[in-house]
Amino acid sequence: AQSVSQHNHHVILSEAASLELGCNYSYGGTVNLFWYVQYPGQHLQLLLKYFSGDPLVKGIKGFEAEFIKSKFSFNLRKPSVQWSDTAEYFCAPDRDDKIIFGKGTRLHILP
Amino acid sequence: DAGVIQSPRHEVTEMGQEVTLRCKPISGHDYLFWYRQTMMRGLELLIYFNNNVPIDDSGMPEDRFSAKMPNASFSTLKIQPSEPRDSAVYFCASTQSGYEQYFGPGTRLTVT
Repeated sequence: AQSVSQHNHHVILSEAASLELGCNYSYGGTVNLFWYVQYPGQHLQLLLKYFSGDPLVKGIKGFEAEFIKSKFSFNLRKPSVQWSDTAEYFCAPDRDDKIIFGKGTRLHILP
Repeated sequence: DAGVIQSPRHEVTEMGQEVTLRCKPISGHDYLFWYRQTMMRGLELLIYFNNNVPIDDSGMPEDRFSAKMPNASFSTLKIQPSEPRDSAVYFCASTQSGYEQYFGPGTRLTVT
């Protein structure tokens, strides 16, 4: 069965720390990859996406992600987090127009 | 465009009552998704439509749940009868094939 795994369910960091959230998926073939963010009390918003080309993609608010096909991974990174990055982050591979969302990673940034 | 519109934003009802959630997708989008989000289970895909046709309803928890999309600009998710365990935030999302999903603001359902 197709699945997506986010390695960390809850991450706590101090401001200015570096961030990496892991994501692995089990799909074969061509896959579109997304990261969504959900700020407290809000709906999900697109953070970044990968369809093809350069495997290192940049999104909003200084986030980036790297697609490593051989590892079926699409990890999210940010070199220096801010308090306002406190949110839940969802990895979402899309194959055949059906997105499967990961369980999410709750990120809490300490001021 | 106003984005994906959901109504109501909040619904409080008593166990056993019928609940109808509504969604208006972004014009021109040919896919519509219904999700449920809870603390315990996270974000769950309930059902999705393509060109108004239900494609996959395997996430619908039980027969008490039903969804329709009578036209390209409107969809409903109905729960009858509702139970306390149905309390959750229900999101509707729409997309064009192959592109990112746009989420509505959600409906917070509380069943007492």
